[in-house]
Amino acid sequence: AQSVAQPEDQVNVAEGNPLTVKCTYSVSGNPYLFWYVQYPNRGLQFLLKYITGDNLVKGSYGFEAEFNKSQTSFHLKKPSALVSDSALYFCAVRADNAGNMLTFGGGTRLMVKP
Amino acid sequence: EAEVAQSPRYKITEKSQAVAFWCDPISGHATLYWYRQILGQGPELLVQFQDESVVDDSQLPKDRFSAERLKGVDSTLKIQPAELGDSAMYLCASRGTGGNYGYTFGSGTRLTVV
Repeated sequence: AQSVAQPEDQVNVAEGNPLTVKCTYSVSGNPYLFWYVQYPNRGLQFLLKYITGDNLVKGSYGFEAEFNKSQTSFHLKKPSALVSDSALYFCAVRADNAGNMLTFGGGTRLMVKP
Repeated sequence: EAEVAQSPRYKITEKSQAVAFWCDPISGHATLYWYRQILGQGPELLVQFQDESVVDDSQLPKDRFSAERLKGVDSTLKIQPAELGDSAMYLCASRGTGGNYGYTFGSGTRLTVV
């Protein structure tokens, strides 16, 4: 079985400050990890993914995430938050040796205040 | 950029009525997924197709939900009869073959059962 935990329901940050959205996972086998963003009444937009290679992954809109195998984490980061980054963020995982179904975390609402 | 098309965007239906959602994946994508996202939660897989075949429908409430992808292209998800607890966002995603590992989501159908 595979699972994802996003321990924070909401993260508040001031515009211009760095942001971190936390994600931990559990899979049997090597993980493929993803971050998606969702705006109100919209589908999921892909931000970035880790499959293999460099532990620091860079994605869309200035976001990056660091894969930490020992801590089974894949935290999403951005050096300088924008008000327009305010949205719902989802971490997802699938195992490399299983079917290709994605399992999502419960989501974290990011609020960036001016 | 290729997109996954879903319709309708919004649907309001009365309890015990039938409702259907449609998804047209990215051309050439063999794998298609239907996810249900209850407000405030992460998406949960309902059914996965590989071409026209169901790969995983273990989480599909088969007493009232059905899904088909007759020609291995577009897909329909049906609920009959709808219940109040079915109110959610229904997301369709597709995935191609090869090493891209990319999952593309549609904008979803927001269902409200009254």
